[in-house]
Amino acid sequence: DQQVKQNSPSLSVQEGRISILNCDYTNSMFDYFLWYKKYPAEGPTFLISISSIKDKNEDGRFTVFLNKSAKHLSLHIVPSQPGDSAVYFCAASPLKAAGNKLTFGGGTRVLVKP
Amino acid sequence: DAGITQSPRHKVTETGTPVTLRCHQTENHRYMYWYRQDPGHGLRLIHYSYGVKDTDKGEVSDGYSVSRSKTEDFLLTLESATSSQTSVYFCAIRAGSTSYEQYFGPGTRLTVT
Repeated sequence: DQQVKQNSPSLSVQEGRISILNCDYTNSMFDYFLWYKKYPAEGPTFLISISSIKDKNEDGRFTVFLNKSAKHLSLHIVPSQPGDSAVYFCAASPLKAAGNKLTFGGGTRVLVKP
Repeated sequence: DAGITQSPRHKVTETGTPVTLRCHQTENHRYMYWYRQDPGHGLRLIHYSYGVKDTDKGEVSDGYSVSRSKTEDFLLTLESATSSQTSVYFCAIRAGSTSYEQYFGPGTRLTVT
């Protein structure tokens, strides 16, 4: 049973508009959440994270929102740029557990059209 | 750039042969991880290490073993490769004791025929 799910396998958005990526989790022990971006033939790159003590974190064009009661997080990219076309993974971790192990969602492929 | 290299970057091997993948880091990070990436599954943790000679299993550890005899190197071994182990393998490090982000290497594409 997948503990972290990204229910939209793909998303297409016009350049300059907002991209919204969603992620749901089931394990209530998760208290730290991350988003990664991945280009083909490269390793994932860290984008932004959020702790469960917050409900929002911003870094430039990227904002992550966390709704703990719904066990849901989202990533907003504003404005979207062609270089944002990639696969995005959300990940979650229970900080108190040994090893800081990450559980990943299946990914959402984003295409930003010029 | 977290100073992580993986070798080889590509490998084709036959079913039943042993395979070792290497992850090398240059910045003395304590925690290292091996993941595999498969379509629809995202990345899944195979094994991780929290120090020299200290390792533990992840979500999909069956058929894999690891070793860490030096801080900078973390080896992943497939004792007898199977077609289900065809995947892209990523090594990662945890950036520091107060940081929970993991940073990934470029990956190794392994094909088992």
